Amino acid sequence: GAGVSQSPSNKVTEKGKDVELRCDPISGHTALYWYRQSLGQGLEFLIYFQGNSAPDKSGLPSDRFSAERTGGSVSTLTIQRTQQEDSAVYLCASSPLTGVHSPLHFGNGTRLTVT
Amino acid sequence: GENVEQHPSTLSVQEGDSAVIKCTYSDSASNYFPWYKQELGKRPQLIIDIRSNVGEKKDQRIAVTLNKTAKHFSLHITETQPEDSAVYFCAANTPNFGNEKLTFGTGTRLTIIP
Repeated sequence: GAGVSQSPSNKVTEKGKDVELRCDPISGHTALYWYRQSLGQGLEFLIYFQGNSAPDKSGLPSDRFSAERTGGSVSTLTIQRTQQEDSAVYLCASSPLTGVHSPLHFGNGTRLTVT
Repeated sequence: GENVEQHPSTLSVQEGDSAVIKCTYSDSASNYFPWYKQELGKRPQLIIDIRSNVGEKKDQRIAVTLNKTAKHFSLHITETQPEDSAVYFCAANTPNFGNEKLTFGTGTRLTIIP
């Protein structure tokens, strides 16, 4: 079946502009995560959605970052007034179950470049 | 919150030799430790995981060990092959009443020298 789909695959934007990144998780997966991977760096946790529970936003680096998940499926990550340090690959992952250590299925990511 | 440290950041081994990557974690409540492999330009994929009720798990040429007392776990790859070249990430979970998130290490770039 289809895996996690992210769009766009690449995004170049000017400093100060807003961007929206989209994630389509695997159908039926209740958990959805956003991670950020800077060049040569690890996977930095941003936000986690689980079913109808309040999202865990503890990883969002500033109030310029926000995310929502509509209908328990598609998620959008919005970065307002982008800065050069926001340049990174933004990875979305979904997981089918909670509390039972299900693996994360990652998308191919969106490579964001802020000029 | 959970803090995961991973070493080394880069590792080069001769083809056929073994590679070992080590991670430590801070949250004693963590009970799930997966390892992900990310090949160049590709998405991270789960290769093996271990739960806190076991000390070791093997899958062909890869194995993971867990020391709960010391709060560290390791990935062992034996008889390395060129296709093992990739970035490897360890992770630990933060359990929370059925919800959990994974905190990842900073990754190890493994290069297999032919």
